[in-house]
Amino acid sequence: ETGVTQSPTHLIKTRGQQVTLRCSSQSGHNTVSWYQQALGQGPQFIFQYYREEENGRGNFPPRFSGLQFPNYSSELNVNALELDDSALYLCASSLDRQGLSGYTFGSGTRLTVV
Amino acid sequence: RKEVEQDPGPFNVPEGATVAFNCTYSNSASQSFFWYRQDCRKEPKLLMSVYSSGNEDGRFTAQLNRASQYISLLIRDSKLSDSATYLCVVNWGGGFKTIFGAGTRLFVKA
Repeated sequence: ETGVTQSPTHLIKTRGQQVTLRCSSQSGHNTVSWYQQALGQGPQFIFQYYREEENGRGNFPPRFSGLQFPNYSSELNVNALELDDSALYLCASSLDRQGLSGYTFGSGTRLTVV
Repeated sequence: RKEVEQDPGPFNVPEGATVAFNCTYSNSASQSFFWYRQDCRKEPKLLMSVYSSGNEDGRFTAQLNRASQYISLLIRDSKLSDSATYLCVVNWGGGFKTIFGAGTRLFVKA
């Protein structure tokens, strides 16, 4: 089985720009979550998608938005980038939206905003 | 108060030592609990789920105390390869919100 794949692996953007990050979930997983991880910190929950609908959100502003597609892959969009958005963005998929079986993470996209 | 708090690190221990990590959570409605391991510049990987009855996987033992709202992880006979950051994870709202602790860094030395 294939794991969670994310693209791109690295990205440099300018403040004020928009960015789209992509994630393919593990085969058989219908739930995708996105996290932001700053250096030296634990991952911060952005939101979760289950069967194409957002069903949980952390403390992130509306300029962080997402989509989930019928094949359960997902996108994270960030508008009006700020310097503090520089971080590792992790996508994780799970078998169920309760996450009872845990999450499988992708290797992340490292975003640098200059 | 943070939603999930972990022991501040780092922990520096010799090979063969036993080390314990604690984690407290603020939401009594939390439903599922995990320990993840994260190596430097890598993604987190599930180490083990944590059940109310406690559970063991080889050298690793996890405990959950719902009354006191804390989770623990015990590592026995530490190996050099156990050096990593250990993340406590709590789900609530039926898993609709997943909160990670800041992590505890472990260094195991020869």
